[in-house]
Amino acid sequence: SAVISQKPSRDICQRGTSLTIQCQVDSQVTMMFWYRQQPGQSLTLIATANQGSEATYESGFVIDKFPISRPNLTFSTLTVSNMSPEDSSIYLCSVEGQGAPYGYTFGSGTRLTVV
Amino acid sequence: GQQVMQIPQYQHVQEGEDFTTYCNSSTTLSNIQWYKQRPGGHPVFLIQLVKSGEVKKQKRLTFQFGEAKKNSSLHITATQTTDVGTYFCAGRGGSYIPTFGRGTSLIVHP
Repeated sequence: SAVISQKPSRDICQRGTSLTIQCQVDSQVTMMFWYRQQPGQSLTLIATANQGSEATYESGFVIDKFPISRPNLTFSTLTVSNMSPEDSSIYLCSVEGQGAPYGYTFGSGTRLTVV
Repeated sequence: GQQVMQIPQYQHVQEGEDFTTYCNSSTTLSNIQWYKQRPGGHPVFLIQLVKSGEVKKQKRLTFQFGEAKKNSSLHITATQTTDVGTYFCAGRGGSYIPTFGRGTSLIVHP
């Protein structure tokens, strides 16, 4: 299965600022997924990032707030813009397995606290 | 849209007791996946079930997919402290991308 390097692992940010999270995959993948996980909650899909096209956002998430870049098949970034305390959460990137049994591999996560 | 309900939200057990978590989907699923997330960690893929009525085992873990492909369960026999974590199901229905359940947090008391 793929190995994902995600950074930063955690950050404490001031409200109104932006944070960019990076994910590097050790193999080429068509789609990368960005999730948010609030404390004690499930994983909520933010968007799907394809190389060479604009990301597809889920209901409740907009590009101005969560701009995504996907410059190549092994790398993606998610920016959390104009942060507020409500953005405090864990952000995870993910890719689907390239072979059976096709489970998703997750990055180690970015624990964001906005103060 | 598709919803995946998972119960219970929390489960406390004594070490050696069994544990079961259940997932129910509002729609028929093409497959269901299970993940484990250790405290402070990220979700790790455990298994995928595809066939109606399928049962798979991984050591002390038994996974089942319902006949109607709308429900699934994970059963752990004789829990150990290493089983601590949150177990998520993720069902794939009409959408290519799976929908995650809320998760069941397993707390094992030694």
